[in-house]
Amino acid sequence: GAVVSQHPSWVICKSGTSVKIECRSLDFQATTMFWYRQFPKQSLMLMATSNEGSKATYEQGVEKDKFLINHASLTLSTLTVTSAHPEDSSFYICSARTRGAAINEKLFFGSGTQLSVL
Amino acid sequence: AQSVTQLDSQVPVFEEAPVELRCNYSSSVSVYLFWYVQYPNQGLQLLLKYLSGSTLVKGINGFEAEFNKSQTSFHLRKPSVHISDTAEYFCAVSSSTSGTYKYIFGTGTRLKVLA
Repeated sequence: GAVVSQHPSWVICKSGTSVKIECRSLDFQATTMFWYRQFPKQSLMLMATSNEGSKATYEQGVEKDKFLINHASLTLSTLTVTSAHPEDSSFYICSARTRGAAINEKLFFGSGTQLSVL
Repeated sequence: AQSVTQLDSQVPVFEEAPVELRCNYSSSVSVYLFWYVQYPNQGLQLLLKYLSGSTLVKGINGFEAEFNKSQTSFHLRKPSVHISDTAEYFCAVSSSTSGTYKYIFGTGTRLKVLA
């Protein structure tokens, strides 16, 4: 089946630094990618939706200047957490949707990135 | 606006016993319904989905779910669970807004299968 590769799987950084998370669709073209954030024992919260070649659409309450999303190609989207602080520590998951218009498309998830900001 | 409610945060069950994980949703438009499973430190895997047609949907690993429009429910069931089914299960709904499908997830149910 289709594979979404998310890297890194775990990152620890100092407060104030920036962290980039990559999400790649390995064997299909992802016209749309979604970025989620998951706190312990909670559900996935949609942060933003990105379509290839256009600006990401952020959910209410998500700071677009803090969580920079780039979807430059049909196989790669990146999430950069800028000037990370301890409250940004969380599990971040990307998902990718295949090209086409129908809801029959599947949503494929990356394996997630655990970000710990010290 | 759409929402998804998973009534049980944790469900302990003995191995080989049946299990039902509950999911209720609310939406003013037609929705598509999904169940995903998440193992520790991993992303989500699709178990099954309801798009249209038969209200009883069969998925992978022996799971099935039934869409009940009148009760706005999409409960997940398995007649006999295994230790390996221990995981977090998420119900999700999706509908189109201006041509873009958004997925809204429930808070998850932790299934703990006991030996």
